[in-house]
Amino acid sequence: DTGVSQNPRHKITKRGQNVTFRCDPISEHNRLYWYRQTLGQGPEFLTYFQNEAQLEKSRLLSDRFSAERPKGSFSTLEIQRTEQGDSAMYLCASSLGQPDYNSPLHFGNGTRLTVT
Amino acid sequence: RKEVEQDPGPFNVPEGATVAFNCTYSNSASQSFFWYRQDCRKEPKLLMSVYSSGNEDGRFTAQLNRASQYISLLIRDSKLSDSATYLCVVNRGGATNKLIFGTGTLLAVQP
Repeated sequence: DTGVSQNPRHKITKRGQNVTFRCDPISEHNRLYWYRQTLGQGPEFLTYFQNEAQLEKSRLLSDRFSAERPKGSFSTLEIQRTEQGDSAMYLCASSLGQPDYNSPLHFGNGTRLTVT
Repeated sequence: RKEVEQDPGPFNVPEGATVAFNCTYSNSASQSFFWYRQDCRKEPKLLMSVYSSGNEDGRFTAQLNRASQYISLLIRDSKLSDSATYLCVVNRGGATNKLIFGTGTLLAVQP
């Protein structure tokens, strides 16, 4: 399977714990995006990388959230001191260059986080 | 006001019906436009791009009106398998190269 891969698929954690998610993009894609989606809403942008450089972070990304893409390949998203409001689907997506007509954005199947 | 707005629905239609979804966007500098489909508890998948001249893919027709900042999706001869959430998506362009998603419109096609 050469699509975007995310692990784990599901994560249940207690409030206050730290969690880390991993995303492996399509291999030749230099752009990697993280989105968050809650029930009844569309995906909300969190951050994106071009190669290893993190180029933009949303206001939604509080200081408890950190993302890395150390070698320009896979990425990790860490949430420290989780809160119940962090419960959501975390989606990773990748594209070859700017997501546009000739380079569509491809999503992984997401990591569903539940904070109890 | 959200940057991309859609009627959340649900749209309940019988099989064979024609249904249309609308979407408006607020950033006039937006460069490219898409419809994504999302099945329940699955990831969004690109359904079709939306070009200025309008475009068609089988039973699906997408239209873009840049002057009104309005995008539409028409589905003809609805199938049960069309039941999903349809997300209107805009690339804001400029220095901010990311896709902005609407909340989605839920379609339920009834037998």
